[in-house]
Amino acid sequence: QVQLQESGPGLVKPSETLSLSCTVSGGSIRSYYWSWIRQPPGKGLEWIGYINYSGSTNYNPSLKSRVTISVDTSKTHFSLKLSSVTAADTAVYYCARGPGYYDSSGYYYVRGFDIWGQGTMVTVSS
Amino acid sequence: DIQMTQSPSTLSASVGDRVTITCRASQSISSWLAWYQQKPGKAPKLLIDKASSLENGVPSRFSGSGSGTEFTLTISSLQPDDFATYYCQQYNSYFSFGQGTKVEIK
Repeated sequence: QVQLQESGPGLVKPSETLSLSCTVSGGSIRSYYWSWIRQPPGKGLEWIGYINYSGSTNYNPSLKSRVTISVDTSKTHFSLKLSSVTAADTAVYYCARGPGYYDSSGYYYVRGFDIWGQGTMVTVSS
Repeated sequence: DIQMTQSPSTLSASVGDRVTITCRASQSISSWLAWYQQKPGKAPKLLIDKASSLENGVPSRFSGSGSGTEFTLTISSLQPDDFATYYCQQYNSYFSFGQGTKVEIK
């Protein structure tokens, strides 16, 4: 079955760029949308943005100026870059499958985030 | 943006209890609502999609209902494995989550 695994530095300095990668195994990136979601310690969930196989993206308006999500040319992983980080960006970062997929006819079905990585804790501190 | 408000924030219940969690949207989201279960140190797990569609493998004691701005998640008979935090999430316009409802042992 499809599994997701986040990777990247656990500590980032203020004002620098946070960079994470999500490896997709057991299935193809094709036909699905893929998202990044974060959760500050003890708090709720915040959607950061998504990308699809062809590289089309959509970002949370509150983070849009600082976020870049990309998919690699081999289509086995997708990545997150968040620039100019502050302590408020300290969180567990999850990659997830969703919000939806294309069927064989090219019709898009929107749905919830149905597969998640285990999450990776990123702390912003000098 | 669409705000999602869950109630209660914390719920104390016993094994076997019927439990209901409410989620309200700041504007109509039709049935574009999902429910998740999250246990400490773990990623959320999708339980229900499109307000009432149970995901494969999720026990039938979980059910969802509602449309428009008011939704509920019901656990018909609470089991020990169900003590967790539950989140609603809308996908009508962008994607936003409720603040969570922690179901704890009474």
